[in-house]
Amino acid sequence: DAKTTQPPSMDCAEGRAANLPCNHSTISGNEYVYWYRQIHSQGPQYIIHGLKNNETNEMASLIITEDRKSSTLILPHATLRDTAVYYCIVRQYNFNKFYFGSGTKLNVKP
Amino acid sequence: GAVVSQHPSRVICKSGTSVKIECRSLDFQATTMFWYRQFPKQSLMLMATSNEGSKATYEQGVEKDKFLINHASLTLSTLTVTSAHPEDSSFYICSARSASGGRNTEAFFGQGTRLTVV
Repeated sequence: DAKTTQPPSMDCAEGRAANLPCNHSTISGNEYVYWYRQIHSQGPQYIIHGLKNNETNEMASLIITEDRKSSTLILPHATLRDTAVYYCIVRQYNFNKFYFGSGTKLNVKP
Repeated sequence: GAVVSQHPSRVICKSGTSVKIECRSLDFQATTMFWYRQFPKQSLMLMATSNEGSKATYEQGVEKDKFLINHASLTLSTLTVTSAHPEDSSFYICSARSASGGRNTEAFFGQGTRLTVV
């Protein structure tokens, strides 16, 4: 699987949009981008995933650049409960496993 | 989303004893489950892939005789930490993907088990 690079931490004001970047410059054509988050002492929670088109669901939006070398997870109105470590994972279409990188610790502040 | 349940959520055991952790998919069938370990302030590390009806496959550096995995049904996988030592103290997390889902479906994670070996 392609390697991902994320900033170790970010701050965001409550109510504002949180934009979390992820670089995956070695991504190949059959690899998907997945986002998970982990709130302290809990199991990871699925957020969203995509291949090349932008995706949106009730939790977040995923913006993938045209060359697919980077993506951004957008939480439109961050709340204190969104404080967590956010993991960007690139996984092959026909490969079963998820390998986690170091993630981004998002701190949402009042 | 689908629900994956782990039991127990916390366990304390004495050094030298064995501990079994259960992982259940509550509302879907999972031919494959995964076991992770997470040390404080670190990311999740994949330990092994649990395959229903067959032997688990272990990641490099994970001792298969120490971490016994059994996947006897489509909804249950167990991880047994044998002869536990204090350095085995960690947060153990399982995940599962639906057997009926396509290859690009997400994995769902359990709430984790905090193991403390004293």
